[in-house]
Amino acid sequence: GENVEQHPSTLSVQEGDSAVIKCTYSDSASNYFPWYKQELGKRPQLIIDIRSNVGEKKDQRIAVTLNKTAKHFSLHITETQPEDSAVYFCAGGGGSARQLTFGSGTQLTVLP
Amino acid sequence: EAGVTQFPSHSVIEKGQTVTLRCDPISGHDNLYWYRRVMGKEIKFLLHFVKESKQDESGMPNNRFLAERTGGTYSTLKVQPAELEDSGVYFCASSQDQGQGNNQPQHFGDGTRLSIL
Repeated sequence: GENVEQHPSTLSVQEGDSAVIKCTYSDSASNYFPWYKQELGKRPQLIIDIRSNVGEKKDQRIAVTLNKTAKHFSLHITETQPEDSAVYFCAGGGGSARQLTFGSGTQLTVLP
Repeated sequence: EAGVTQFPSHSVIEKGQTVTLRCDPISGHDNLYWYRRVMGKEIKFLLHFVKESKQDESGMPNNRFLAERTGGTYSTLKVQPAELEDSGVYFCASSQDQGQGNNQPQHFGDGTRLSIL
């Protein structure tokens, strides 16, 4: 089955700096890669997703890149703000599997 | 549009007791998933319904867990009897109909925090 690894587990950045979170996956059949943001005590919220026919996708201050050959994808947050502080999860899915396989999460702290 | 709703938000029970969690997906979403996050680890898949049918239950830990989705609307997840290692946050997610090889975004509920004493 699919295995998704996520790094780093914790990340602290100064407000205004950029943050990058990286994930790798094992199943070459996976073709859908969402990112979720989970604030303390709240539900995981989908913030951006990318499909394997695309190499990069942007939405305002967030972007995701995908390298199918190397089987890794990354989340980039620019101009970070304190409200970006949360746990971020990457996930992989698709192919024969409809369920998502999640990474272990990254606790992002944006320092004012 | 109402999002995915889960009940209860928190449940505290003793080892050996039974607990039933409920999930109401977004209206019109055929796909319903149960996931679990144990002790700050990754969110792990439990099972997937398409309408009332179990599509994949490969993530269910053991036969103490029983999920149903009668009528293809809301779903319940029953744990009987509960053990200490069942503690965690149980999430439900739903998505629209998926064409072949085309995952649709999954929308999560707030989760049920289950504590087994």
